[in-house]
Amino acid sequence: EAGVTQSPTHLIKTRGQQVTLRCSPISGHTSVYWYQQALGLGLQFLLWYDEGEERNRGNFPPRFSGRQFPNYSSELNVNALELEDSALYLCASREMGFGNSPLHFGNGTRLTVT
Amino acid sequence: AQSVTQLGSHVSVSEGALVLLRCNYSSSVPPYLFWYVQYPNQGLQLLLKYTSAATLVKGINGFEAEFKKSETSFHLTKPSAHMSDAAEYFCAVRNSGGSNYKLTFGKGTLLTVNP
Repeated sequence: EAGVTQSPTHLIKTRGQQVTLRCSPISGHTSVYWYQQALGLGLQFLLWYDEGEERNRGNFPPRFSGRQFPNYSSELNVNALELEDSALYLCASREMGFGNSPLHFGNGTRLTVT
Repeated sequence: AQSVTQLGSHVSVSEGALVLLRCNYSSSVPPYLFWYVQYPNQGLQLLLKYTSAATLVKGINGFEAEFKKSETSFHLTKPSAHMSDAAEYFCAVRNSGGSNYKLTFGKGTLLTVNP
């Protein structure tokens, strides 16, 4: 069974630019989560998508947005990049219907903003 | 809101020694708890989860964790550390409340294993 896949693995952008990160969940998983892992700040919840809808959002500005496609893959978009957006962005998927089913993570996209 | 606190941002043990990584949770309802491991330049991998079926939970790679309600703890242990255990470990708690599912992570504990 293929795991969660993310692309690209690394990305370097300039402040003010826009970036799109992509995620494909495990087959059969309809829920996709995005987390930001910045140095010294731990894992911060960004967004949760399920069945194509945004279900929950973390404490991030509106320039962080995303969407989920009919095949349950997802994109995370970040506009007007700032230096502090440099981080590892992790995508995770989950099998719905079970309260304690865990998140399964991809290997992340390392974003560097210069 | 549910939260977890990991005591000790860095733990160093000798190869073959006991590994003990501490996690305390805050939850007004019986929690769902998880331990994840992150190797360098990788995502998070699930080690184990607490399902309320048993207080002692066995996970992968020889790790286990014991849920202690009286102490609000879910510490992770391994009897004998191996060099390959060197990684960062995260404790996480699921929020309560039906279908609204979110995991909140601790700040992580970096485990170093010395030869």
